[in-house]
Amino acid sequence: DAGVTQSPTHLIKTRGQQVTLRCSPKSGHDTVSWYQQALGQGPQFIFQYYEEEERQRGNFPDRFSGHQFPNYSSELNVNALLLGDSALYLCASSLAGIGGYTFGSGTRLTVV
Amino acid sequence: SQQGEEDPQALSIQEGENATMNCSYKTSINNLQWYRQNSGRGLVHLILIRSNEREKHSGRLRVTLDTSKKSSSLLITASRAADTASYFCATDESGGSNYKLTFGKGTLLTVNP
Repeated sequence: DAGVTQSPTHLIKTRGQQVTLRCSPKSGHDTVSWYQQALGQGPQFIFQYYEEEERQRGNFPDRFSGHQFPNYSSELNVNALLLGDSALYLCASSLAGIGGYTFGSGTRLTVV
Repeated sequence: SQQGEEDPQALSIQEGENATMNCSYKTSINNLQWYRQNSGRGLVHLILIRSNEREKHSGRLRVTLDTSKKSSSLLITASRAADTASYFCATDESGGSNYKLTFGKGTLLTVNP
């Protein structure tokens, strides 16, 4: 039973560029949440996708956008990258109405 | 913003000793969860305690919840070197349209062999 798969594991981008991170949820899960974790901090909620729509959004600018596909996988897009966007990006999947989050291993994004 | 505040920020103990970490939060919750993170990688779910529960056990883990004080504690008994990691509490806030977890800043636990 595959857990949550995130790709890529590491990424280096230049300021101003755009990046797309990908997440495949755990088998049987239909909801995907994204979190940003800066070094030495706890994860911060970016947004959650359910039924291919953004259901809730955290305190992140519009440069952060996402998408959920019919197979429940999800993408996180960040435009106009800033140095401060350097962080570990975590994807978590769950089954709506049941809860119980499973986290992926994350994508380490470095903006230079 | 981060709701939970773990205490202490860092804890160093010897193998075999017990480790206690505390978490305080600010709002009403449905449940509180504890996660472990090794070396800045993914989060591993350890245990969930619901707002109507006061104590829960899972193997060497014991979690307590005091909703009147808005606090929780995680006890790891008979610690092992493999328990070295960062530990985070996360709250699932009550409210019909809330779907997020709110994390604290974590406690870095070092278990020395």
